[in-house]
Amino acid sequence: AAGVIQSPRHLIKEKRETATLKCYPIPRHDTVYWYQQGPGQDPQFLISFYEKMQSDKGSIPDRFSAQQFSDYHSELNMSSLELGDSALYFCASSYRGLSGNTIYFGEGSWLTVV
Amino acid sequence: AQSVTQPDIHITVSEGASLELRCNYSYGATPYLFWYVQSPGQGLQLLLKYFSGDTLVQGIKGFEAEFKRSQSSFNLRKPSVHWSDAAEYFCAVGKISNFGNEKLTFGTGTRLTIIP
Repeated sequence: AAGVIQSPRHLIKEKRETATLKCYPIPRHDTVYWYQQGPGQDPQFLISFYEKMQSDKGSIPDRFSAQQFSDYHSELNMSSLELGDSALYFCASSYRGLSGNTIYFGEGSWLTVV
Repeated sequence: AQSVTQPDIHITVSEGASLELRCNYSYGATPYLFWYVQSPGQGLQLLLKYFSGDTLVQGIKGFEAEFKRSQSSFNLRKPSVHWSDAAEYFCAVGKISNFGNEKLTFGTGTRLTIIP
């Protein structure tokens, strides 16, 4: 079965640079979520989109922005990168049409800021 | 706001022994509860989920979990662990809206080590 696809899987950036992560949800899923997992930490919710509209917002820094496109893929843009942004970034997707829909995660994108 | 507590940061179990990982949640209504597993450097894989109905749910890889409303718990169990079960285990609670599960709040995780 198709899963959530994230790219790139690994990314190394310098401080103050910009990074863009891409996410392709499971086909027919209408909701995309972004999570950030720091080293040794639990995943923290950043932001979500439903039908291309932002549906919820968590602890996402102002330097970060995200959007969902017409084909339902999503991009997380991170600017003015800081060392503390080094983390594993998960994208997840779900289909809200089902009661008690399950959120499925991608393999994650490793961002290292040096 | 919902929250999840996993009291055990690290558990070591002998291969073939039984396993129970604890999870307590705080949520104002009937929760959606999940267990995810993360192998080193890997993504989050769903083990099992509870939405409603039978409080004992079966998952993949021989895992099961029991929802106990009176104790606000959703403990994960496996009767006999295998070396491949070594990983980080996360319990999560879903925030429910009119659309269903909105987002997940994770516990801090329990790292499982298996010894021969």
